[in-house]
Amino acid sequence: AQTVTQSQPEMSVQEAETVTLSCTYDTSENNYYLFWYKQPPSRQMILVIRQEAYKQQNATENRFSVNFQKAAKSFSLKISDSQLGDTAMYFCAFMALGNTPLVFGKGTRLSVIA
Amino acid sequence: DTGVSQDPRHKITKRGQNVTFRCDPISEHNRLYWYRQTLGQGPEFLTYFQNEAQLEKSRLLSDRFSAERPKGSFSTLEIQRTEQGDSAMYLCASSSTPGLADPSGSYNEQFFGPGTRLTVL
Repeated sequence: AQTVTQSQPEMSVQEAETVTLSCTYDTSENNYYLFWYKQPPSRQMILVIRQEAYKQQNATENRFSVNFQKAAKSFSLKISDSQLGDTAMYFCAFMALGNTPLVFGKGTRLSVIA
Repeated sequence: DTGVSQDPRHKITKRGQNVTFRCDPISEHNRLYWYRQTLGQGPEFLTYFQNEAQLEKSRLLSDRFSAERPKGSFSTLEIQRTEQGDSAMYLCASSSTPGLADPSGSYNEQFFGPGTRLTVL
């Protein structure tokens, strides 16, 4: 069974600064997907960024980028130029091939401070 | 609005009562997932469907829980004889199956609804 661990329950960052959220996972699969989802307060979960395990290049979406270390089973999220609207719970998630159910970590609550 | 919708958004019930939630997925998505999220935790998988077939059920889904997707479109999740431990946010998500054309261009993404928050008194 796959597991996802987020070791930072809460983090804060100053507006315009950079913050990195950590995630490690455990799996015996060789091909899979990793995701970061954002859940703003009282709002629905939205996808921030995804990474295919067979791709060596780290995914980037505007201010969001990942550091994917397959051998170490590590998948961190870097948010550059943090904005107040980035305040949310961030969940790291694993998915095996075939659109199987997601396995989520417990989340990191990020607060962006003005 | 072509996103995933859930109804009701909030439900307060007394212990022992039955409740039913509904999820309407994105119309072209044939997979539908139910997750449960308790306070301060990440979502946990409950069950999922491909069209009308229920493909997998989690051990979290006790005998008091039943889910259906009778016509392969909307789905219902029923909890019988609710307990206080059932209080949680119930999330629905939908996706396409790999290999099928998806107008959104991201066929592996699961799109989430706003959730139904259940409070059992």
